Amino acid sequence: NAGVTQTPKFQVLKTGQSMTLQCAQDMNHEYMSWYRQDPGMGLRLIHYSVGAGITDQGEVPNGYNVSRSTTEDFPLRLLSAAPSQTSVYFCASRRRGLIGETQYFGPGTRLLVL
Amino acid sequence: GQQLNQSPQSMFIQEGEDVSMNCTSSSIFNTWLWYKQEPGEGPVLLIALYKAGELTSNGRLTAQFGITRKDSFLNISASIPSDVGIYFCAGHRSNNDMRFGAGTRLTVKP
Repeated sequence: NAGVTQTPKFQVLKTGQSMTLQCAQDMNHEYMSWYRQDPGMGLRLIHYSVGAGITDQGEVPNGYNVSRSTTEDFPLRLLSAAPSQTSVYFCASRRRGLIGETQYFGPGTRLLVL
Repeated sequence: GQQLNQSPQSMFIQEGEDVSMNCTSSSIFNTWLWYKQEPGEGPVLLIALYKAGELTSNGRLTAQFGITRKDSFLNISASIPSDVGIYFCAGHRSNNDMRFGAGTRLTVKP
C-alpha cells in the first residue's frame, strides 16, 4: 500500500492563479480531509468528505473547493490563489467510525503564493 | 473558533529525561488525540483518548484525558534522540470540529 499520496510536493503560484492539489489513498477509507498548517498554529480543517459524492466544510473553507467522485481521490482546488493561502497542505484519510481510528496523513504540499 | 492552548511551545532536554506537555481548552471535547510530526512528513497518531479520566500508555508514552474534558497531557519517559519532533494535541467533537494545538517542539540532546 502506498498509503496517502499528495502531489505536487512544492508549488509556487502567482496571485490569482488557480491550481489543484491532488490527494489519493489506496486503503479504501471512507473519510478524507484537507488541512492547512501555518507557523505557530495547529492544523486547521479546510474540507472533509465522509464518502464518495459527499463533502462538507471545515473550519477554514473560504477560497477552496473540493469534490469526491471516487473513494480514492479527494482533490483540493484553489480557484484564485491569494498570498494568505501560502501554507503547507495535508490530506488525511481514515475509516469511518471512531475518530481515534488511525488517521493517516500524506507528506504534505508546500504552497507559496506570490 | 475554540483554541487549544498547548504548552510548552518548545523543550530542550537531555537524553534520558522525562518530558511532559499539556493542552487546555475552554471547550469540552469528546476525544483527545496526540500526534507526532517529523520534518517533511505528516503527523502520525500516537495515542487516542475517549473517556474523561482515561489514562493510556503506548510504550514510553502516557496520556490522560482530563476529568473536565477540557484538557489532556502527554508524558514521555526516558527520552531518546528519536523522540525529536513536534507533538500536537487535537480535540474532537464531530466530523467538522477537530482542533489542533500549536505544537510542542522537542529537542533531545544526546
